[in-house]
Amino acid sequence: SQELEQSPQSLIVQEGKNLTINCTSSKTLYGLYWYKQKYGEGLIFLMMLQKGGEEKSHEKITAKLDEKKQQSSLHITASQPSHAGIYLCGSQTGGATNKLIFGTGTLLAVQP
Amino acid sequence: KAGVTQTPRYLIKTRGQQVTLSCSPISGHRSVSWYQQTPGQGLQFLFEYFSETQRNKGNFPGRFSGRQFSNSRSEMNVSTLELGDSALYLCASSLKGGSYNSPLHFGNGTRLTVT
Repeated sequence: SQELEQSPQSLIVQEGKNLTINCTSSKTLYGLYWYKQKYGEGLIFLMMLQKGGEEKSHEKITAKLDEKKQQSSLHITASQPSHAGIYLCGSQTGGATNKLIFGTGTLLAVQP
Repeated sequence: KAGVTQTPRYLIKTRGQQVTLSCSPISGHRSVSWYQQTPGQGLQFLFEYFSETQRNKGNFPGRFSGRQFSNSRSEMNVSTLELGDSALYLCASSLKGGSYNSPLHFGNGTRLTVT
């Protein structure tokens, strides 16, 4: 079965610093979703990538999809305390039992 | 547009009891998916309903069941509760569900504690 591995598992950065979170799939990626979660709350949809080489931005967050490497990266520029939370990548498994599965998550803390 | 609404927000039950969780999707969304989130296992897919039919199911025992009504609202039931069922249960809705162009929108979850 497909698995999504995220790295790093956790990250502490100083406010204003840039950071990158990676998501690697064990199988072909059929679209890649990025979500953010505050502890104990629901997931907030950030963006969706569908094609290899695709890059999308939302405010100071940029995500890229590398289909060949079966990998996506999420980059935050000039981090702020509001960026703190858990970042999760998700991907459709494809096939007859197509469903959205999620990575292990990356916990981000931003120190003022 | 109202978001995905889950009730109740918190629930405490004892082992052996059963529980029903409710989810109201975003208006117009026909697909509802359920996930279980625990610190050890992360987000695990339970099942997906589309137009009142279960379209996909994860690897959970038969104690976990669900249904969807004609207005797209969904309920999830867990019978004979075990301590390991303690988790945050998340419901998500989308327009098409299993489509690659239809992101899931999540509710804030129901925190279930089994004692």
